[in-house]
Amino acid sequence: DQQVKQNSPSLSVQEGRISILNCDYTNSMFDYFLWYKKYPAEGPTFLISISSIKDKNEDGRFTVFLNKSAKHLSLHIVPSQPGDSAVYFCAASVSGNTGKLIFGQGTTLQVKP
Amino acid sequence: DTAVSQTPKYLVTQMGNDKSIKCEQNLGHDTMYWYKQDSKKFLKIMFSYNNKELIINETVPNRFSPKSPDKAHLNLHINSLELGDSAVYFCASSQVERVQETQYFGPGTRLLVL
Repeated sequence: DQQVKQNSPSLSVQEGRISILNCDYTNSMFDYFLWYKKYPAEGPTFLISISSIKDKNEDGRFTVFLNKSAKHLSLHIVPSQPGDSAVYFCAASVSGNTGKLIFGQGTTLQVKP
Repeated sequence: DTAVSQTPKYLVTQMGNDKSIKCEQNLGHDTMYWYKQDSKKFLKIMFSYNNKELIINETVPNRFSPKSPDKAHLNLHINSLELGDSAVYFCASSQVERVQETQYFGPGTRLLVL
């Protein structure tokens, strides 16, 4: 039973356009959400996070939206750049839960020049 | 200067063998983790240690034994390797054991059991 799912294995967008990556979760106890980015042959690196007390968090070109009623979050990248091409992992957790993150299976983003 | 390093990067071995993967972090963090990325690409936590003390121990076969000689190192020993152990294993660290603390990942160890 996967509590965090990223149902789109891949996404291809044109440079300069918006990339939208989606993530769904099933556990209503989750109250902290993160996105990690991973390049080939490297480990994941932290990108952006959001607490359940917010519905939006923005950091430069990256914005995460949280819809608690739908148990859905999304990552928007505007404008997309070729260097954004990577695998994006969504993760969720319960605050105070000893650092335990539940990851999705990732979405591979390709940004075409 | 790598923050979280793992050795080896690649490991090919026969079923039934015993192998170890080493992890070191030079960030001064208190907490370290082991994750397994399986064939379906999910990253799943296996263990976490805080200051050499075991904190998280997920449902992992007891053939897997983590060892933390000091807070900068967390090694993973695997006994009697099975085909299903083939995966990418990632080590990570964070300042403390809170989800709000960024976890820094190593580059991964690709284990192939033949």
